Amino acid sequence: KNEVEQSPQNLTAQEGEFITINCSYSVGISALHWLQQHPGGGIVSLFMLSSGKKKHGRLIATINIQEKHSSLHITASHPRDSAVYICAVAPWYSGGGADGLTFGKGTHLIIQP
Amino acid sequence: GAGVSQSPSNKVTEKGKDVELRCDPISGHTALYWYRQSLGQGLEFLIYFQGNSAPDKSGLPSDRFSAERTGGSVSTLTIQRTQQEDSAVYLCASSRGPGRPPLAGDYTGANVLTFGAGSRLTVL
Repeated sequence: KNEVEQSPQNLTAQEGEFITINCSYSVGISALHWLQQHPGGGIVSLFMLSSGKKKHGRLIATINIQEKHSSLHITASHPRDSAVYICAVAPWYSGGGADGLTFGKGTHLIIQP
Repeated sequence: GAGVSQSPSNKVTEKGKDVELRCDPISGHTALYWYRQSLGQGLEFLIYFQGNSAPDKSGLPSDRFSAERTGGSVSTLTIQRTQQEDSAVYLCASSRGPGRPPLAGDYTGANVLTFGAGSRLTVL
């Protein structure tokens, strides 16, 4: 079973700061998902990636397959970015699908105005 | 529908009772997943449906848990003889793609998840 570690567990930053959240895993994967869980509990899929880098607005996700590591970056952070960010990895046999995902415990991010 | 709908949003039950949780995925999404999130814990995969194929039940924690998906659309997660440790938020998600080969290597978005708001189960 894949071990997924996220760091930091908790992060408080000031509005405008550049944020980095890290995710490392122990076993080869087919894809990695970044999810955002809002304070009310709703979960939104941010990215799914298997190599390189993806960007959406102020969010950037990168993955290094060889090093088994991914990072989620937030530029020009804003209080509305406050949420729990969860990394999840898809096993190699799933073709990137979401069955059998192993989740990290999440990073609690608070952006203060 | 426009999103993934789950019901009930909250359920309080007594230990030993059976409960049913419902998930209505996005229309046209062939893949459906159930996860749960216990208090202070991360998300945990429970079961996966893809079209009319046999479901992947590898994440179900015990034989008290079962799920079905009728007509390739709505899914019901049933927990029999509930225990206090079953208290959690049960999340349903769907995706457009099959989640498995032959889409292996296709990361264009077919497997991107859309989550429902969850069903919070409290077992007293």
